[in-house]
Order: sequence, then structure tokens, then C-alpha cells
Amino acid sequence: EGELVESGGGVVQPGGSLRLSCAASGFSISDNYMTWVRQAPGKGLEWVSIIYSGGPTYYADSVKGRFTISRDTSSNTLYLQMQSLRADDTAVYYCARPNMKWGSGALDYWGRGVLVTVSS
Amino acid sequence: SVLAQPPSVSAAPGQSVTISCSGTASNVGSRFVSWYQQLPGRAPKLLIYDNEKRPSGIPDRFSGSKSGMSATLVIAGLQTGDEADYYCGTWDSSLSTGYVFGTGTKVTVL
Repeated sequence: EGELVESGGGVVQPGGSLRLSCAASGFSISDNYMTWVRQAPGKGLEWVSIIYSGGPTYYADSVKGRFTISRDTSSNTLYLQMQSLRADDTAVYYCARPNMKWGSGALDYWGRGVLVTVSS
Repeated sequence: SVLAQPPSVSAAPGQSVTISCSGTASNVGSRFVSWYQQLPGRAPKLLIYDNEKRPSGIPDRFSGSKSGMSATLVIAGLQTGDEADYYCGTWDSSLSTGYVFGTGTKVTVL
């Protein structure tokens, strides 16, 4: 059974930077796609970014050019580097694993989430 | 959110509720759909994948189906513990769009 644990959240000023981490256990992130999803307070789920097992990365238009997804396979950890943060980036950020063995690529493992608050 | 869901549904314990999820040809119409349950203050949890399959541990009271550009989640034998937000989700054909979620449906047990 896989597990994901996020860390690195907190309060940051507009224009600031923050790096989120997601430690995976029970499976290898290098063999899997990994993704970030966020949820603004009281709002729905929004996909943020994905890294394929082979390395390609993709981003939602709302974060493109500001966020960078990466991974460290030696520590089995996923990252999300966030720059030029804005108030509308305030959200709980979840890392999740798309199970690409299924046709749907459903997100079968989720972390508990970490809160990022962008405020002066 | 790209996929449309009703904002809320409700029913008494033991009854059934149906949640719809409407998309387009580039997502629901051409991809498998998944459903997620989010209890208050918790992370989302996978309920249904590949339109109608349940992961281990999910009771058969939860069932999914898809037809054309719409998908449906049915919760039968409603229990108080089912009070939660439910989201449909699927990958879009556009790589820049990525994974798309429904607007979310709040299920209330009367």
C-alpha cells in the first residue's frame, strides 16, 4: 500500500517562493506518473502539474512559468517549486499518484495535503 | 472546473442518490471517468475508476456508469457517513489541460 506525505507549506508574501515536498513510500515514483492537485478554501479540486515516469512535465495554464515540478528518485520524493506566488495560489496542495495501469489513470494515492497561504 | 455536476443532492438514510457529471468529447466523451469522495477536512479518496470499477475496500453501494459525454455515480443505501463532497475526474485529450475535475457535489443525508 502506497503512502504520500507532503510538507513545506506555510505563509508567504505575494511575489514570494515556496517549495513543497511529497515523500512517497510503498512504490517508486520513478516508475510512476506523479501529480499535484490544489484546492482553494471552500472551492473544488484543481489540477496543477504532472511529471511522467519518463520525465516530461506539464502544467495548468494558471501556474505555467511560475511553478516547477521535479523529483528526486534517490529519496523517492516529489517536489513543487512555486515562484511569483499570488493570493489566488492560496490553497491546500495535494500530491497524488495517477495509476496508469488503469485506463482511467485515476488518482489512487493521495497525500493529506499541505496549506499554502499567500498573504501580506 | 471543466466537468459539470449538480451543486448538491440529498436523501434520507437508506435511500439512493444519483450524481451526474457532464463533459465534452475531449474528456468524458473519450476517456474513462473516476469518482472521488472528500469527507470534511480530509483528502479526496478514490471511489470509482474506469467508469465503473471499485478499488478494494469500497462497498458495492457505490456504482458508476458512463454514456457518451456524461457519467453517473449512484450511492445506494445512503448512510450518514456518506455525507461528503463528490468529484468526478478524467484526463483531457489536451496535455496542457491535464486532469479535469467536476465542480463537485455535496451529498447531504437528511
